[in-house]
Amino acid sequence: EDQVTQSPEALRLQEGESSSLNCSYTVSGLRGLFWYRQDPGKGPEFLFTLYSAGEEKEKERLKATLTKKESFLHITAPKPEDSATYLCFLTLQGGSEKLVFGKGTKLTVNP
Amino acid sequence: KAGVTQTPRYLIKTRGQQVTLSCSPISGHRSVSWYQQTPGQGLQFLFEYFSETQRNKGNFPGRFSGRQFSNSRSEMNVSTLELGDSALYLCASSLRQGYGYTFGSGTRLTVV
Repeated sequence: EDQVTQSPEALRLQEGESSSLNCSYTVSGLRGLFWYRQDPGKGPEFLFTLYSAGEEKEKERLKATLTKKESFLHITAPKPEDSATYLCFLTLQGGSEKLVFGKGTKLTVNP
Repeated sequence: KAGVTQTPRYLIKTRGQQVTLSCSPISGHRSVSWYQQTPGQGLQFLFEYFSETQRNKGNFPGRFSGRQFSNSRSEMNVSTLELGDSALYLCASSLRQGYGYTFGSGTRLTVV
């Protein structure tokens, strides 16, 4: 069964305390892995798409990496405005598109 | 560049009623997908449309249906509402299937 697991479910950091969020997956054929952030009451906002193992992308304090079994979202020196729920989901190869979602990691950055 | 627009933003309905939600994608985007988000289950895929054809469907009962019009706008309908249908319903559009989803702000549906 295709599955995506995000860990931890919740994470509290102090401002400036770097950490990583994990998205591990067991799927039949990965087409793409997406990272989004979601603020309360809003729709998810696109961060990164990764397509192949070894790929890395960066944006401000965030860096996403991908291996054959998992992806990490590294947050360097986070600020309170980085507080949000971070979502990971995958699209799979095959005749019809299928999306598999993780349940998200709720990040809180305290000043 | 206008984003994905979902209407209405909030909706309160009674059990047994039906509801229609609307999604206007980014201009030029032909793929529209729908999702249900609840605190317990997270994001769950409902269905995806591309050029007016339903290309993929999630594991939801037949009470959930949708359609896409020639201008790529999409509607989602839920009939015979149940309390458990209370959720944030999100719509996303992309230029083509499986790439670069842009989400709307969602419709918050409350069933009482």
